[in-house]
Amino acid sequence: NAGVTQTPKFQVLKTGQSMTLQCAQDMNHEYMSWYRQDPGMGLRLIHYSVGAGITDQGEVPNGYNVSRSTTEDFPLRLLSAAPSQTSVYFCASSYSIWTGGEKLFFGSGTQLSVL
Amino acid sequence: AQTVTQSQPEMSVQEAETVTLSCTYDTSESDYYLFWYKQPPSRQMILVIRQEAYKQQNATENRFSVNFQKAAKSFSLKISDSQLGDAAMYFCAYPTSGTYKYIFGTGTRLKVLA
Repeated sequence: NAGVTQTPKFQVLKTGQSMTLQCAQDMNHEYMSWYRQDPGMGLRLIHYSVGAGITDQGEVPNGYNVSRSTTEDFPLRLLSAAPSQTSVYFCASSYSIWTGGEKLFFGSGTQLSVL
Repeated sequence: AQTVTQSQPEMSVQEAETVTLSCTYDTSESDYYLFWYKQPPSRQMILVIRQEAYKQQNATENRFSVNFQKAAKSFSLKISDSQLGDAAMYFCAYPTSGTYKYIFGTGTRLKVLA
């Protein structure tokens, strides 16, 4: 059981480049989400999904795009990378967040630097 | 608006001593859950403990326990018999069941001194 698999672990981009961060879970979780972690700011929600075909914006969605065509996968796309997007990104999932009682399962994170 | 506040950016504790990390939150919900997550230098996020708001009894997991004060909207984490492996960033988190969003505090970095 792999849990939440997030790739790549490290990435360096030039300003204006685009890329996709991959996230896959094999636990049949309904809920998947993307966060960015910046010093002194904790984890901030970028986008989330409550099931295949259903996505919504979080706290800091600008410059990012998501889709959820399958239960397992939830990729995060950076459309035109900017230095302000330099951060550590985490994918996280849970079986259901309907009651709020489910813990999040996290990927191992992606350290992204935009030059 | 729902918020989570951790007012201690950094804390230090001597090995084998006890330390308490503070967390306050704001919500209009009456039934909810609260979490503490640990992030060691490996960057992996690990669940430490979970509290259900309708339960009056404070949650406990081995050396980790919470002091949950619902009326005061306070949710502090107590670590007893601190070990070097407890050194990490600790995040308080509140999942908003109505909007499907987890809200995290800004974190407290815990240093354990040998």
